[in-house]
Amino acid sequence: DSGVTQTPKHLITATGQRVTLRCSPRSGDLSVYWYQQSLDQGLQFLIQYYNGEERAKGNILERFSAQQFPDLHSELNLSSLELGDSALYFCASSVGRKNEQYFGPGTRLTVT
Amino acid sequence: EDQVTQSPEALRLQEGESSSLNCSYTVSGLRGLFWYRQDPGKGPEFLFTLYSAGEEKEKERLKATLTKKESFLHITAPKPEDSATYLCAVQASGNTGKLIFGQGTTLQVKP
Repeated sequence: DSGVTQTPKHLITATGQRVTLRCSPRSGDLSVYWYQQSLDQGLQFLIQYYNGEERAKGNILERFSAQQFPDLHSELNLSSLELGDSALYFCASSVGRKNEQYFGPGTRLTVT
Repeated sequence: EDQVTQSPEALRLQEGESSSLNCSYTVSGLRGLFWYRQDPGKGPEFLFTLYSAGEEKEKERLKATLTKKESFLHITAPKPEDSATYLCAVQASGNTGKLIFGQGTTLQVKP
């Protein structure tokens, strides 16, 4: 158990809908990262937050947004969902300069 | 462009048969190279971080090494429970923690 929690574990929704994925980092970790994993693309970095502020952005679609709250938990919002958004979404957290990222169990999103 | 390539894509070993997984990278200034293990349907599990060429780290049957262009994950006398996908990732210089992952090597160890 990495100490990173994600909810929900599974999500099935229809095209055009909007969903919110939630992540709680390990105690003491200030950085939260979101990654998408699909069969053809592998693990792709989406976005990083550090202590409530956006730190880095990857290939995150404009339909996707994220935020980190004062209690350091983070939410990833996916809207106008398409079939191609079906994937595993992972959250990771880290502390300090070593950047050893610890991953949560993931949310499996299925868009039908 | 920063890039990570892992080989082979898949590896089948008999229990006790040692081997190595390769991770080649091109990055604009390496801050760290990371190895993860991932079981099907689960989140990646952190194994090692290497920061500079010549560095080595060990954990049980696994040993990771780093050169200026590649990293190797050596598996000595593997057991069936070592079966998993092994992911390599790099962090480039800069002020972000973004990791760039390779596609992984799926290892199957048969008893």
